[in-house]
Amino acid sequence: GAGVSQSPSNKVTEKGKDVELRCDPISGHTALYWYRQSLGQGLEFLIYFQGNSAPDKSGLPSDRFSAERTGGSVSTLTIQRTQQEDSAVYLCASSKREGRYEQYFGPGTRLTVT
Amino acid sequence: DAKTTQPPSMDCAEGRAANLPCNHSTISGNEYVYWYRQIHSQGPQYIIHGLKNNETNEMASLIITEDRKSSTLILPHATLRDTAVYYCIVSSANAGGTSYGKLTFGQGTILTVHP
Repeated sequence: GAGVSQSPSNKVTEKGKDVELRCDPISGHTALYWYRQSLGQGLEFLIYFQGNSAPDKSGLPSDRFSAERTGGSVSTLTIQRTQQEDSAVYLCASSKREGRYEQYFGPGTRLTVT
Repeated sequence: DAKTTQPPSMDCAEGRAANLPCNHSTISGNEYVYWYRQIHSQGPQYIIHGLKNNETNEMASLIITEDRKSSTLILPHATLRDTAVYYCIVSSANAGGTSYGKLTFGQGTILTVHP
């Protein structure tokens, strides 16, 4: 079946602009995770959703970052007033449920802030 | 979540078994050992996970020591397509905690499979 999809695949934006990144999880997966991967930091956890609620937002680096999930499916990660240090690959993953179940990752969105 | 230690890089000849070690000496009783890999420019891919017993699937085998302080991922017949960064991750599976399901990636092991 279809895997996790993310859009756009690439995004170039000017410093100070807002961006929205979209994640479509595997159908029926209730848990959804956002991570980002940058050259200096490796892969780091940002936030996870169980259904539409976000029990763990501990990885969001600042209040410029927010995420929502609607209908227990699609999720949007929004970055306001982007900075150059926000440049990274943003990865979304979904799993059947939270916990010990394997996570399936999307291809990522490469964000470049100029 | 417990921290893991992996060698930064390893080489393997095509067709031979690749044995990737991981130390997780501070693992606690409710933490699982997960292995993921990331092939260049792709998202991470789940390989296998286990709690206490050894596990095997179509991709790999996971051997966990009796004291659970270390584990080894075995790719039985490595191919060039197995060249990737391999991540060993320890994560709590208990409900109610903020780390529930969260994966904390380290630097991983860069496995290079040679012809």
